[in-house]
Amino acid sequence: DAGVTQSPTHLIKTRGQQVTLRCSPISGHKSVSWYQQVLGQGPQFIFQYYEKEERGRGNFPDRFSARQFPNYSSELNVNALLLGDSALYLCASSLLGGHSNQPQHFGDGTRLSIL
Amino acid sequence: AQSVSQHNHHVILSEAASLELGCNYSYGGTVNLFWYVQYPGQHLQLLLKYFSGDPLVKGIKGFEAEFIKSKFSFNLRKPSVQWSDTAEYFCAVNAGDMRFGAGTRLTVKP
Repeated sequence: DAGVTQSPTHLIKTRGQQVTLRCSPISGHKSVSWYQQVLGQGPQFIFQYYEKEERGRGNFPDRFSARQFPNYSSELNVNALLLGDSALYLCASSLLGGHSNQPQHFGDGTRLSIL
Repeated sequence: AQSVSQHNHHVILSEAASLELGCNYSYGGTVNLFWYVQYPGQHLQLLLKYFSGDPLVKGIKGFEAEFIKSKFSFNLRKPSVQWSDTAEYFCAVNAGDMRFGAGTRLTVKP
């Protein structure tokens, strides 16, 4: 069975540009969450989507946005990129969302470098 | 807002030594607790989880964790570590959305 897949694996952008990251959840999973992992730190929660609706948002600026499609895949968009946005962006899927005891399954991440 | 604290940034052990990694969280309601592991070059993987019931939970690869509600703690243990346990370990709490600790890097010397 395919796990969580993310694309692209690596991306290099310059300050001020915009980027779109993509995620396909495990088949049957309806919830997708996005995390930012800076080197040496744990993943920081950005968004959670469940059944195509935003169910949670972390402490990130409005430059960050996301959406979930009818097939439960998801995109994370970041506008006006800053040097500090350089990080590994992780996508995780689970069967359910919200206050859930469902463990999340993680993809390999997209490594975003801002020059 | 909920937060998760992992006390040890980097732990170095010899093979066969016992391991305990600390994790404390700040959230007063019902929580679901997790430990994830990230081996070098691999994605995060679930080690074990606690939702309810027996506060001592067993996970994969001989790991276990104990939930102590009064201490808001969920420490990870393993009686005898192996070189292959070298990895980064993350404690996480889900009370609506998943929050991770900063991680503990474990290095096991052969």
